[in-house]
Amino acid sequence: EAQVTQNPRYLITVTGKKLTVTCSQNMNHEYMSWYRQDPGLGLRQIYYSMNVEVTDKGDVPEGYKVSRKEKRNFPLILESPSPNQTSLYFCASSLSGTSGSIFYNEQFFGPGTRLTVL
Amino acid sequence: AQSVSQHNHHVILSEAASLELGCNYSYGGTVNLFWYVQYPGQHLQLLLKYFSGDPLVKGIKGFEAEFIKSKFSFNLRKPSVQWSDTAEYFCAVNANYGGSQGNLIFGKGTKLSVKP
Repeated sequence: EAQVTQNPRYLITVTGKKLTVTCSQNMNHEYMSWYRQDPGLGLRQIYYSMNVEVTDKGDVPEGYKVSRKEKRNFPLILESPSPNQTSLYFCASSLSGTSGSIFYNEQFFGPGTRLTVL
Repeated sequence: AQSVSQHNHHVILSEAASLELGCNYSYGGTVNLFWYVQYPGQHLQLLLKYFSGDPLVKGIKGFEAEFIKSKFSFNLRKPSVQWSDTAEYFCAVNANYGGSQGNLIFGKGTKLSVKP
């Protein structure tokens, strides 16, 4: 089954304790991305990756790191989590590309990781 | 910077009523446009998308949206809602030009509650 998986699904941690949320897709997608969802703010993009070894900042990258060493995985790293990073995190992937002058990018989302930082 | 505005925070309708959710974006260039739906406790699912061509786009579950370039709008419509349409709806935009194609901007969402 084609899917995006995230682990863990739920995590409670304390301030300053490094953590990693994994994201994996089995669709051979080039593009992957991380978002956080907060009430009243919608989804905001943290980082994205257009391909292996290529990552770019989204709108709210502060306090986060990512890496894209292989196509299927795109882990999100919080080196020193703080309470304002308590949120619902979604990973997404897409088979992006260009057809003529049109760039297409239809994203498929993972199930989400609910993170609480105390 | 790009931004996406969804006009209604919470819409309450009775079953069989017609639905229109507004979405406006601020970007003057070529864009890709999306509507996603999030059912309670679930992840986002794509309802429909616009990349090019016919500005009236049909999606899943009877939803459609119309891209009006002159108004920078991409409103979502459904002629007759059902209780099962109760969910949160997100409009999203990404610029179709080099360097920022991967930066997908979401609106803040509109909660739809359908009364049986």
